[in-house]
Formats: sequence, C-alpha cells, structure tokens
Amino acid sequence: QVQLQESGPGLVKPSETLSLTCTVSGGSISGDYWSWIRQPPGKALEWIGYIYHNGITTYNPSLKSRVTISVDPSQNQFSLKLSSVTAADTAFYYCARRHRDFVGEAYFDPWGQGTLVTVAS
Amino acid sequence: SYDLSQSPSVSVSPGQTATIPCSGDKLGDKFVSWYQQRPGQSPVLVIYQDDKRPSGIPERFSGSTSGNTATLIISGTQALDEADYYCQVWDSSVVVFGGGTKLTVL
Repeated sequence: QVQLQESGPGLVKPSETLSLTCTVSGGSISGDYWSWIRQPPGKALEWIGYIYHNGITTYNPSLKSRVTISVDPSQNQFSLKLSSVTAADTAFYYCARRHRDFVGEAYFDPWGQGTLVTVAS
Repeated sequence: SYDLSQSPSVSVSPGQTATIPCSGDKLGDKFVSWYQQRPGQSPVLVIYQDDKRPSGIPERFSGSTSGNTATLIISGTQALDEADYYCQVWDSSVVVFGGGTKLTVL
C-alpha cells in the first residue's frame, strides 16, 4: 500500500523559497503522476501542480511563475519549490498520487498527512 | 478559468440521507471526484469518475452527475461522516477544487 510523507521546514521567511520533499513508500514512483496540493488554514484546497515520473510537469497557471516540481526516482521522492513566498503562501501542503485512468481526468489518492508551512519573519 | 461552486454548509440528522451538490458549467461532461476531510486530517478520496467508490469506502457513499450538477449522496448518515467535502475536476490540463461543504450531523 503506497504511503506518502511530506518533509521540510515549517517556517519560511517572506521573499525566500519554500522547499518540501515527498517520500513515497510501499511502491515505486515510476509509472505514475505525483502532485502537490495546498490548503490555507480554514480554507479550500488548491492544486499546485503535478509531475510524471519522467519529469514532465503541469502547473497551476496562478502559481506557474513561482513553482518548480522535480522528481528523484532513485530516492523515490519528488519535491516542491515555491519562490518569493508571502504570508498568502502560509498553508498545509499535501503531496498525493494523481490517477489518470482516462484522458481528461485526474483524481488523487492517497494523500500524505500534510505539513504546515508558515511564512513569517 | 473553470469554477466549481459548493454550498458552504449542509446539515443532516443521523440516519438520514445527506446530499451535497457541486455545480459547474457542463459538469456532466467531466469526471468528478469527491474528497472527505475530517477535522485535522488529510483529505480522503470517497468517489471518483462520478460514481465509483475506492476500496474501503462504505457503500453509503454514492455519487451522480447530470447537466451542470454533481451530487455526493450519503445514505444513513453517521456522526463520523461529519466533515468537509470537496468536489474536484480536471479541465483543460488544470485541476479545480470546489470551495468545500461542511456537513454537520445533528
């Protein structure tokens, strides 16, 4: 059974770069899509982007200029970098596996437990 | 950009049927997924491809879509079903989540 675990700093200063890693266990990262999703405290979910195991990425247009998602198959990990952060980027950040059984669909299962990243000086 | 609208809150009595709507333009032409998020926990997939249940999700959870509306239906609602529920679609290479509905069981 695939499990995901986020890791990274819980506090980032404004204007700096947020960096998180998701470690996949119980299965291989190869052959699948992997995603980052965030949720400001008390607010709705927001998709950040996803990456295929071969490195092809798709990002949310609203975040595209600041986001980089990368994958390291040798470590069974994928990572998120979000640059020039502000207080508006304070959120729980989740990693999840994206399923694509048909063209034109995406659903997410399982999810990591999430990690709270606070942007403050 | 594509938008999904959800009612902020829905209330239901224990044992009754809860219906949680999600609306969007031509939503019936897209695959809709639903997620349950209990307080302090990560989201859990409860419905995908409009009406399919993942392994381990109780049969009381079902989904339907028609026209511009998708509906999550919880039959025989239990106290442990109290949570936030989010609908989600893929549209033109972008993933979109609804604003979420808080289900209160009282």
